[in-house]
Amino acid sequence: GAVVSQHPSRVICKSGTSVKIECRSLDFQATTMFWYRQFPKKSLMLMATSNEGSKATYEQGVEKDKFLINHASLTLSTLTVTSAHPEDSSFYICSASRLAGVYNEQFFGPGTRLTVL
Amino acid sequence: GESVGLHLPTLSVQEGDNSIINCAYSNSASDYFIWYKQESGKGPQFIIDIRSNMDKRQGQRVTVLLNKTVKHLSLQIAATQPGDSAVYFCAFTSSGSARQLTFGSGTQLTVLP
Repeated sequence: GAVVSQHPSRVICKSGTSVKIECRSLDFQATTMFWYRQFPKKSLMLMATSNEGSKATYEQGVEKDKFLINHASLTLSTLTVTSAHPEDSSFYICSASRLAGVYNEQFFGPGTRLTVL
Repeated sequence: GESVGLHLPTLSVQEGDNSIINCAYSNSASDYFIWYKQESGKGPQFIIDIRSNMDKRQGQRVTVLLNKTVKHLSLQIAATQPGDSAVYFCAFTSSGSARQLTFGSGTQLTVLP
């Protein structure tokens, strides 16, 4: 099966610091990776779409200077939350996509719980 | 992609009963639909999918029904078990959507002993 990992699974940081979250596709090459944010008891909100070797496409209302995305290879994408503040505390989930016919097939990571003090 | 950030509706069922979880979508261009299960503190897990050229698809203990006329999708879980307790999300996309998924608001399923 297609496995996506995220690291770290949980992080606590002080306000003003930056936090990097890694997303890896372990057994397949991902043409596209997606980053989502999820608040408690809410649905997943797409933050950005990332293609290997190109700039990420951010959704409306998501600050690209705040949430830096790097997609250096077909198996790794990183999300850096810069100058984190308590309102950035959330559950961040990535997914990796490989094309299945004309439809995307997305595989989700286990998520990263960020708590900013 | 868009997602609906509503508070989760809840569904409680007795163990052994069947569960039906519903989802509505608005984009008539949506042609691929997926149900995900999300347990607390974990990422979404694929359950079953269906394409718009079908109106029913069955898996192990799960059935997905698609009604394109009223833009409605449902997930039926047979003989619900305690391990089925989770949040269930529908998601949809179209072939021309740059592979983005739009998530529904989700339903919290609680299985009662």
